[in-house]
Amino acid sequence: QKEVEQDPGPLSVPEGAIVSLNCTYSNSAFQYFMWYRQYSRKGPELLMYTYSSGNKEDGRFTAQVDKSSKYISLFIRDSQPSDSATYLCATLNAGNNRKLIWGLGTSLAVNP
Amino acid sequence: DVKVTQSSRYLVKRTGEKVFLECVQDMDHENMFWYRQDPGLGLRLIYFSYDVKMKEKGDIPEGYSVSREKKERFSLILESASTNQTSMYLCASRKNFAGQPQHFGDGTRLSIL
Repeated sequence: QKEVEQDPGPLSVPEGAIVSLNCTYSNSAFQYFMWYRQYSRKGPELLMYTYSSGNKEDGRFTAQVDKSSKYISLFIRDSQPSDSATYLCATLNAGNNRKLIWGLGTSLAVNP
Repeated sequence: DVKVTQSSRYLVKRTGEKVFLECVQDMDHENMFWYRQDPGLGLRLIYFSYDVKMKEKGDIPEGYSVSREKKERFSLILESASTNQTSMYLCASRKNFAGQPQHFGDGTRLSIL
């Protein structure tokens, strides 16, 4: 079993839809959680970064962490065609906080 | 803003060649990383460096080496390129504080013929 599981999709939604992207993880020592967005032929860019359980909001994006069920989510409200990308979740172990543990990424297409 | 610059966006080399991929960051970050990214396999860590002249193997170091002579520069070396090293190579850096995220360059798409 991989340490971080992420449904690869692809996910296709109409413009304006609410998108939910999810990851599960297996190690309760994971303390830091990140979402990266990667456009085609570009490097991943940091989108959201959280430490504790609960929600963190930034514009149309909300990151949610539920440590009790080891579940992390990224919600995108009013999705736009420019949100079409691959979204990668990543986590850091508090005891070994240099190496990120990655999900495989979910490919999202937002159709106009 | 953090800037991580990879020297080439696209590179084509022949099998058996020695290949150098260069990465430079401008934020005085202690840690630097080299990944490769392949469809269905995600991001896999090749090597990382936690400070100048320090290096540590990642998950797939075979066939690769690295060099970090200056803090801002981290080089990945393919000693004798093979076709199975055709991939997207990504460099990242981070500040060496607990929980700090990594920041990426735009990648080098390397083809070995």
